[in-house]
Amino acid sequence: GENVEQHPSTLSVQEGDSAVIKCTYSDSASNYFPWYKQELGKRPQLIIDIRSNVGEKKDQRIAVTLNKTAKHFSLHITETQPEDSAVYFCAAPNQAGTALIFGKGTTLSVSS
Amino acid sequence: GAGVSQSPRYKVAKRGQDVALRCDPISGHVSLFWYQQALGQGPEFLTYFQNEAQLDKSGLPSDRFFAERPEGSVSTLKIQRTQQEDSAVYLCASSLERGRGTQYFGPGTRLLVL
Repeated sequence: GENVEQHPSTLSVQEGDSAVIKCTYSDSASNYFPWYKQELGKRPQLIIDIRSNVGEKKDQRIAVTLNKTAKHFSLHITETQPEDSAVYFCAAPNQAGTALIFGKGTTLSVSS
Repeated sequence: GAGVSQSPRYKVAKRGQDVALRCDPISGHVSLFWYQQALGQGPEFLTYFQNEAQLDKSGLPSDRFFAERPEGSVSTLKIQRTQQEDSAVYLCASSLERGRGTQYFGPGTRLLVL
């Protein structure tokens, strides 16, 4: 069946360090991969997404890389700040294209 | 512009009660999705509308769950005879595109069934 696996489940870094979160997906036809940030009690907010026709996309301190052959994609945050602390979710579309399948989330803690 | 809104933000129900949760998507968005998010988990798909048509309801956990979007705008998720396991945050998302477009989430309704 369709599945998205996300690692690690928790990640603690010092302010200024980089953080990397990895996801794998099962449906080789998937072509859209968003990342959401969710702060406690708040809505998931889209921070970056990538479509399958590119291998990397960057937006200031955030980047996403995609390896379609290996069916995995990663979120990279550089120069982390305390306000980056949150739960991050990766996602991929289901086969029917009617929903996003989410990973279980990564709790990122950035200490100053 | 205005984002996706949901009401109520919090709902406490006694087991066996019926509840109705409302979602106002971003104006003009064709697609509307409902997700259920348990504590410490990622959102899980419940159902999908394209305009007023409910094209996928495979994620609804039981026939106690019912969703509608009669005019292709506002949507209501109804849960009949609530059970304790229904306690969760119910998230609504909308998208300008059909299917695989960017989804924008509402703040969610936190449902607690006692």
